[in-house]
Amino acid sequence: QKEVEQNSGPLSVPEGAIASLNCTYSDRGSQSFFWYRQYSGKSPELIMSIYSNGDKEDGRFTAQLNKASQYVSLLIRDSQPSDSATYLCAVKSLETSGSRLTFGEGTQLTVNP
Amino acid sequence: GAVVSQHPSRVICKSGTSVKIECRSLDFQATTMFWYRQFPKQSLMLMATSNEGSKATYEQGVEKDKFLINHASLTLSTLTVTSAHPEDSSFYICSARAQGGYEQYFGPGTRLTVT
Repeated sequence: QKEVEQNSGPLSVPEGAIASLNCTYSDRGSQSFFWYRQYSGKSPELIMSIYSNGDKEDGRFTAQLNKASQYVSLLIRDSQPSDSATYLCAVKSLETSGSRLTFGEGTQLTVNP
Repeated sequence: GAVVSQHPSRVICKSGTSVKIECRSLDFQATTMFWYRQFPKQSLMLMATSNEGSKATYEQGVEKDKFLINHASLTLSTLTVTSAHPEDSSFYICSARAQGGYEQYFGPGTRLTVT
């Protein structure tokens, strides 16, 4: 089992719809969770961090964390073509030493105009 | 805030030569910096973790004598690819973490092409 799993996609949604990106992780003791956006040919950009159960909203983005289910998600409301990118879920796991993050392989999102 | 720069953004070098890539945290002090490599259409691969003033910790399978990492100050880490070969051609990305947090901020990356 991979430490951090994401559906590779591609996930395709129409402009204006809600895009839902999911991530599961294996280490129940994980405490810190992050979503990064990576455009093709560019480096990842941090868009959300979440540390406690529940929802965290920032503009059109909402991160949801459920530690009991070992599940973290990212919702993008009113999706725009400019949201088309690969979204990486990252977890700070107790199983990994130091401050390194474990990344999922990413979900490719396409927002169709 | 939390800006990380990398230099150069692109480099082409001949096989057998060495290339140095710089990573700087511009508006915060980075106690830890990370170096990643990413091949086309593949996921990020962590190469090594460096802490200011100490030796880097390399991931399994990464040759420490080939990929030299120096983290001499709280704002600068360098990666030197020694005796580069065409298979080293890749997108090299650094990230930096401030003391007390787990968020990593990525530099814009360096695209290395070895001919």
